[in-house]
Amino acid sequence: ETGVTQTPRHLVMGMTNKKSLKCEQHLGHNAMYWYKQSAKKPLELMFVYNFKEQTENNSVPSRFSPECPNSSHLFLHLHTLQPEDSALYLCASSQLSSDTDTQYFGPGTRLTVL
Amino acid sequence: GQNIDQPTEMTATEGAIVQINCTYQTSGFNGLFWYQQHAGEAPTFLSYNVLDGLEEKGRFSSFLSRSKGYSYLLLKELQMKDSASYLCAVWDSNYQLIWGAGTKLIIKP
Repeated sequence: ETGVTQTPRHLVMGMTNKKSLKCEQHLGHNAMYWYKQSAKKPLELMFVYNFKEQTENNSVPSRFSPECPNSSHLFLHLHTLQPEDSALYLCASSQLSSDTDTQYFGPGTRLTVL
Repeated sequence: GQNIDQPTEMTATEGAIVQINCTYQTSGFNGLFWYQQHAGEAPTFLSYNVLDGLEEKGRFSSFLSRSKGYSYLLLKELQMKDSASYLCAVWDSNYQLIWGAGTKLIIKP
């Protein structure tokens, strides 16, 4: 496999459920990101991990909990979500200290909260 | 505050040329990115500009004017597969990526 992969691609969950989103990057990058994408709105950065250490969380509600066990894997644990959390959740990775630090994205998980 | 402005939607004809504009007001500037995103798919990197001028890459070109806080993406010889959203993003002084809401480009035969 190449690039950035995400599972599942689609997820429907109730407000009381607990689920996890998974991201894996095969690019040898040292930074990973979680974004939320809602219709007609800019990408919202949720979490950043540099060298497995979280550096930014942008005031994300605690019902979203990230986990980065190593530089290739990133999880987003979800619990007691709200309907307004329904969105496309994108994972990205980049190589810090490169000239452009270009971010490469996974295909996303389309989340629907009932 | 920081802001990226781009048109919400544009329509163009197959075979024609289209220019998608992006203006930005950010705290500092360390480069500007353009991404393409087809519906239901990942954003994919198109171009990066950090110096003023035009960067050409096949049918796609990207222009930057730092003094005007302005960029555009130029798409030539449009094909139906170019129907997608085009995202503009700016790296600010803290190397935080500030994103625009994207421009949905519709190509008609």
